[in-house]
Amino acid sequence: DIVMTQSPDSLAVSLGERATINCKSSQSVLYTSNNKNYLAWYQQKPGQPPKLLIYWASTRESGVPDRFSGSGSGTDFTLTISSLQAEDVAVYYCQQYYSTPPHTFGQGTKLEIK
Amino acid sequence: QVQLVESGGDLVKPGGSLRLSCAASGFSFSDYYMTWIRQAPGKGLEWVSYISSSSSFTNYADSVKGRFTISRDNAKNSLYLQMNSLRAEDTAMYYCARADSAYSHFDYWGQGTLVTVSS
Repeated sequence: DIVMTQSPDSLAVSLGERATINCKSSQSVLYTSNNKNYLAWYQQKPGQPPKLLIYWASTRESGVPDRFSGSGSGTDFTLTISSLQAEDVAVYYCQQYYSTPPHTFGQGTKLEIK
Repeated sequence: QVQLVESGGDLVKPGGSLRLSCAASGFSFSDYYMTWIRQAPGKGLEWVSYISSSSSFTNYADSVKGRFTISRDNAKNSLYLQMNSLRAEDTAMYYCARADSAYSHFDYWGQGTLVTVSS
C-alpha cells in the first residue's frame, strides 16, 4: 500500500499570510503514460464531510477559491493557501488514487489562525 | 445539484450487523463508481470499499474484508453497505462518495451516518 505522510500535523498562520501543507507518498503517484499525478486534496471543516479542493495534484475543483493551489509531482506535493482567510480553518487531507485498492489518505493537517 | 444522503447508522453491540444506505440524486447514478469512506471519532479518513457503476467490480479494505459487503441498486439510485460481525474499531462516521472510476478522486460526499459499536 502507498503510505501518505503529511507535514506538519498542525499549523497556525496569521490572517492574510501564506499557509503551506506538504504531502509525501511512499512511492510515485505519477502515471507516466498520461503524465498525471493521482493526488487529491480535501478540506474538512468541523462537523462537515470532506470537500474536494484539488485533483490531479494541481487542478482546482470548480468553485474553489483561487487562493488554493496544488503543486508537486512524483512523491512530493504541496497545498498552498496564498492568503489565509478565517473560513479556511479546517483539517486538510491529501489522498492518492494511483494504486487502488486501497485509496490512502494522509493523516491530516490541522490549520488554525495565529 | 448532486446530493448524497446516508442513513442507517445506529448503536449496535459487538458481533452485530447493520445496513447503511446512501440515496443519490442530481446525477446519473449508474454512470459512476461509488465508495464508502469512514472516519473514527477524532481520527483521519479511511477508505472502506468501492463498487463499479454496473456492480461488476468491488473492493474492500483489509480491515473489513469478509465482514462488509457493498452493493448498489441503480434503479433506485441507492448504494448500500452491509456490515456484519461488527467490532468496536468499526465505530465511525461513514460517508458515501462519488468517483469516476477506481482510479479517481472523490468529488462529492454525503453528510455521513454514525455507526457506534459498543456493549
